[in-house]
Amino acid sequence: QVQLVESGGGVVQPGRSLRLSCAASGFTFNTIGMHWVRQAPGKGLEWVAIVWFDGNNKFYADSVKGRFTVSRDNSRNTLYLQMNSLRDEDTAIYYCARQRSMAPGAIDSWGQGTLVTVSS
Amino acid sequence: QSALTQPASVSGSPGQSITISCTGTSSDVGGYNYVSWYQQHPGAAPQPLIYDVVTRPSGVSNRFSASKSGNTASLTISGLQPEDEADYYCSSYTSENTVIFGGGTKLTVL
Repeated sequence: QVQLVESGGGVVQPGRSLRLSCAASGFTFNTIGMHWVRQAPGKGLEWVAIVWFDGNNKFYADSVKGRFTVSRDNSRNTLYLQMNSLRDEDTAIYYCARQRSMAPGAIDSWGQGTLVTVSS
Repeated sequence: QSALTQPASVSGSPGQSITISCTGTSSDVGGYNYVSWYQQHPGAAPQPLIYDVVTRPSGVSNRFSASKSGNTASLTISGLQPEDEADYYCSSYTSENTVIFGGGTKLTVL
């Protein structure tokens, strides 16, 4: 059974940094790409980033490019999102999600999310 | 990277059918057969409904079907049930190896 458990959310001041983690279990982590998707309070889903299975390819939404870095530690079955220079508009629930195999862009499993609040 | 365009809301009565559209560009929806749909109930994580334009994951009711024509994809829910009341999101793979979501559609079952 696939499990994705996010952690690391909290309240942070604008301009500061935060690192999110996502512990994965129930599948062979090092064979599949992983996404971060966020959802601002009362708003829709916004895709944030993807890292391919081996960690060598990473792609980002324009809204976070240059500020956020996605990475993974396949030895620990863990996905990360390093968020720097945080802005008010980064306030959201951040979901870790698994790429569906052989289906580019599709997600087949989601975590329950971790809330990040950027506020002074 | 503007969001794919979905209607903000749709409604229908139990037993009826509704269709939600999702319009993008030739760089996303129109360029690839990689459109997905998700259902999200309040306070819950999204759940996958459709991938690769038309494919239902195992366990998803066959009351959910989807299609695509040009730059517009569509999700149809037939035989509406009260539990179908939720938010629905489309997404597409893009020419930049990224993913783009639609703005979401709130379905009300009257």
